Amino acid sequence: GAVVSQHPSWVICKSGTSVKIECRSLDFQATTMFWYRQFPKQSLMLMATSNEGSKATYEQGVEKDKFLINHASLTLSTLTVTSAHPEDSSFYICSAGHGTGWETQYFGPGTRLLVL
Amino acid sequence: AQKITQTQPGMFVQEKEAVTLDCTYDTSDPSYGLFWYKQPSSGEMIFLIYQGSYDQQNATEGRYSLNFQKARKSANLVISASQLGDSAMYFCAMESGNTGKLIFGQGTTLQVKP
Repeated sequence: GAVVSQHPSWVICKSGTSVKIECRSLDFQATTMFWYRQFPKQSLMLMATSNEGSKATYEQGVEKDKFLINHASLTLSTLTVTSAHPEDSSFYICSAGHGTGWETQYFGPGTRLLVL
Repeated sequence: AQKITQTQPGMFVQEKEAVTLDCTYDTSDPSYGLFWYKQPSSGEMIFLIYQGSYDQQNATEGRYSLNFQKARKSANLVISASQLGDSAMYFCAMESGNTGKLIFGQGTTLQVKP
């Protein structure tokens, strides 16, 4: 199947710092990628839709100034958690569609963020 | 409003037996897709199977099959011949409106007993 990578897989940072997470589609082009957040023992919640060459679309309740998304190319989207706080500690995971429709969506391996 | 419901927080199954994981959904959009993903303890989301709302036949992928009952708005996952490696969290998800956005259910933790 299609491959989506994320980097880093683990990150620990101090409160108040910013953290950048990369999501790459390795063997296909993705004009749209999605960012999800998952707290322990909970489901995935969509944060935003990342569109290549345009502004991201954020879900209700997600602070766009805190979670900066950039989709610089057809294979790369980045999520920057600005001024991270302990409550931002979570599992962040991206996905990208592959093919002509949305019937196949592949997820990256996820990034675990721990803010101290 | 769109919603996905998984009512089984946890399930046990004996190795080599079949198990059904329940999923019901709600959407007013006539075109939608239903997905099942497996999430082992490592956290990665593994795509298992997809069913389109207009598909006439139930989807099958190896040991996975999707019991799609459109009138009842259910999309249960059937895993045949369970293996120890099937122990994981399983999520049902829905995409509608051709947006690509996925709405996830609460998840079901499956444990396969030897």
